[in-house]
Parts: sequence; C-alpha cells; structure tokens
Amino acid sequence: DTGVSQDPRHKITKRGQNVTFRCDPISEHNRLYWYRQTLGQGPEFLTYFQNEAQLEKSRLLSDRFSAERPKGSFSTLEIQRTEQGDSAMYLCASSPIGAGNQPQHFGDGTRLSIL
Amino acid sequence: EDKVVQSPLSLVVHEGDTVTLNCSYEVTNFRSLLWYKQEKKAPTFLFMLTSSGIEKKSGRLSSILDKKELFSILNITATQTGDSAIYLCAVGGALWGAQKLVFGQGTRLTINP
Repeated sequence: DTGVSQDPRHKITKRGQNVTFRCDPISEHNRLYWYRQTLGQGPEFLTYFQNEAQLEKSRLLSDRFSAERPKGSFSTLEIQRTEQGDSAMYLCASSPIGAGNQPQHFGDGTRLSIL
Repeated sequence: EDKVVQSPLSLVVHEGDTVTLNCSYEVTNFRSLLWYKQEKKAPTFLFMLTSSGIEKKSGRLSSILDKKELFSILNITATQTGDSAIYLCAVGGALWGAQKLVFGQGTRLTINP
C-alpha cells in the first residue's frame, strides 16, 4: 500500500515565477486536502476535494493559488506570480469516505523556497 | 475563530522519562481530535479521539480526550531517542462530511540519551 506521494520534494524559484505541485493520494481515497506549513507552525488548511469537486477553499488561498483534481485521482496546486511569503512546505493529505470520521494521511510535502 | 493551543512548545527530557503533552481547543462543530508525530517529513497519524474519557493506547503512547473541558493529553512512557519529534494536535471541524483540521503549533520533544 503506497502512501500519499508528492512531487517535487523541493522547489526553488525566483519571485514572480509560476510553480505547480502534484499530489497522488492513497488509491481509493476520495477525499484530498492541501495544507501549508511554515517554520515553527502547524499545518494550515488550504483546500479540500471530494472526488473531482473542490468543496472548500480557505481565505488563505489568494487569487494567485489554484488547485485542481480533474479526474478525481491526482491533484495539482499552482501558485502564480510567486511572492516571498509563499515560501513554505505544501502538504497534501487524503482520506477515504467511510462511516464516521476518517483520519487524514499526509505526504512528505513539497518545500517551496522563493529567492 | 477556531483555535488549538499546545503546551509546552518545547520539552527536553532524558531517555526513560515519562512526558505529558497538552492540547486545548476551541472549534465549532467538533468532530474529532487527532495526534500526529512529525519528524523531518510527513506528519504520521497516531490517534484519533472522538469520545470523552476513553483512553487510546498504542505501545508506550496513550491519549485521552475531555470534551467538557476541551482538552486532550498525549502521554509517552519510557521515552526513547526515537520519540524525538514534533507532536501535532489537530481538531477536526465538520467539512462537507469530512473534517477540516485545525492544527496547534506543535510540541517539539527532544529525548537525550
């Protein structure tokens, strides 16, 4: 059973560039979440998909951020016109649909550094 | 606004000691409380608690939830150097049938040999 997979592991880019991250959830997990974690803080919720539908977006997700999950399997998170403040670890998590609450399982994250 | 507060933020103990980590919360539409362990990579799931007063246990780790007083504790007995990590507490609020996790800052635990 493979876990949540994220790519790339690290991304260094210049301010103003666009970046895209990919997340492959655990197979058969219908629910997919994106979080952002900065140094010394816990992860903060960004957005949530159930299958291909994006059902919730945090107000942290500015217009420069967009996420997709076109076929209800992998997801991408794009940041346009990156800014210094976007430097963070971007974590993806997935969970199954099931009776009761289901824990979310996290990938290793993509660490973004903006020069 | 939903809030999760962990204490202490940092803790250094010797191998073999017992530690207690605290988590208090204010969350609307509470669904569950979760503990994760984070070393250098992904937060790893430890426990999910939904009912007050029922202890969950896994080896040397145990946790309990008090929904009246809005807090949880995570205990680690006979600590080992491999327990060194950041321990994250998260509370799940209702989100379209799923849970939107609100995390605390984490407790950085260091176990010295």
